Amino acid sequence: GAVVSQHPSRVICKSGTSVKIECRSLDFQATTMFWYRQFPKQSLMLMATSNEGSKATYEQGVEKDKFLINHASLTLSTLTVTSAHPEDSSFYICSASMGRVNTEAFFGQGTRLTVV
Amino acid sequence: DAKTTQPTSMDCAEGRAANLPCNHSTISGNEYVYWYRQIHSQGPQYIIHGLKNNETNEMASLIITEDRKSSTLILPHATLRDTAVYYCIVRVDDYKLSFGAGTTVTVRA
Repeated sequence: GAVVSQHPSRVICKSGTSVKIECRSLDFQATTMFWYRQFPKQSLMLMATSNEGSKATYEQGVEKDKFLINHASLTLSTLTVTSAHPEDSSFYICSASMGRVNTEAFFGQGTRLTVV
Repeated sequence: DAKTTQPTSMDCAEGRAANLPCNHSTISGNEYVYWYRQIHSQGPQYIIHGLKNNETNEMASLIITEDRKSSTLILPHATLRDTAVYYCIVRVDDYKLSFGAGTTVTVRA
């Protein structure tokens, strides 16, 4: 299947700092990318949907000013967690889709964020 | 999107077929059934998807009932590396995937 690369795989940051996570589709053009968050022993929760060149659509309860999403090209989307706090510690996962009907979405390997 | 119901957990014997059921009784005509799995601390991995016909690929088979209200994912020869959480998801054309709790499958030697 297609490859989606997420970087970094693991990051530790101090409270109050910002962290940027990158998601790249390596062998296809992703018109749509999705960002998920997963807490321990829970399922994935969709945070936002981003389409190349337009603003992201956030799910209810997700603060758009705290989780900044940029999808500047067809192969790259970034999620910036601003002013991170310990409760933001989680597993963040991106997925990318070619945006055609009846096509699967491919997932990155995830980023483990720990805020200390 | 239509909701899905899956068993919380299943045990399977290594080398045997694993049959994972999923109910999606409110599925509508344009919704596809997708299966993903997540091995611990990794991103989900795509397995297979279908609309109304049965599908097979190198990983698994997907059997969808005629009324489309349920489906079964079949792993033909389960291995220890198939131990994972398996998610059955129905999806409309907006490409969004909403994950439920899934089925925790444990393959035992």
